[in-house]
Amino acid sequence: QSVLTQPPSVSAAPGQKVTISCSGSSSNIENNYVSWYQQLPGTAPKVLIYDNNKRPSGIPDRFSGSKSGTSATLGITGLQTGDEADYYCGTWDISLSVGGFGGGTKLTVL
Amino acid sequence: EVQLVESGGGLVQPGGSLRLSCAASGFTFNNYWMTWVRQAPGKGLEWVAAVKPDGIEKYYVDSVKGRFTISRDNTKNSLYLQMNSLRVEDTAVYYCARGRVGASGWGQGTLVTVSS
Repeated sequence: QSVLTQPPSVSAAPGQKVTISCSGSSSNIENNYVSWYQQLPGTAPKVLIYDNNKRPSGIPDRFSGSKSGTSATLGITGLQTGDEADYYCGTWDISLSVGGFGGGTKLTVL
Repeated sequence: EVQLVESGGGLVQPGGSLRLSCAASGFTFNNYWMTWVRQAPGKGLEWVAAVKPDGIEKYYVDSVKGRFTISRDNTKNSLYLQMNSLRVEDTAVYYCARGRVGASGWGQGTLVTVSS
């Protein structure tokens, strides 16, 4: 059972925008940085967003992150077929003293 | 450029042991938390263990406490995961990652298969 809750799947057409939610609690998301990861089929996860809303070098600004209270959101604009992947949120839980990830969201670009 | 290269995976029988290694380069290793994350076949990511930069404080998911030990050698820029009393449900790709939840880089992973 994941510490964080994500929708199992989302879908949108090419060129459109999609958001993926990540719900947690006061012991994790509300009081810690959230990061987001993209996992293309058969590959290792890649960091898309760290510290709630920062993008590593090389990540296009089509990807954005935000946080409010006990929830975080990943936004992707200008969807491309190459964005089809599993997306995970992650953060630290200060009560449990463990890291945790959401269950993952499969993005389909129709 | 951050590079993390895992090794040591393989096939092991239930109850057996395995030691994973992660060689780090491209950054000042002893400045960062380091973490192991695993992914069972067809499943999501599961955080396994993390160690502070000084190697003293360590944290584990409940399912591996008492069986797995995370450690690091800052003189060798290396991270380790000693896995004992392995179970079938430990079968997964194990990733080495930089940061408490891998927020700043991941390796390519090493496959651990626990089967008789």
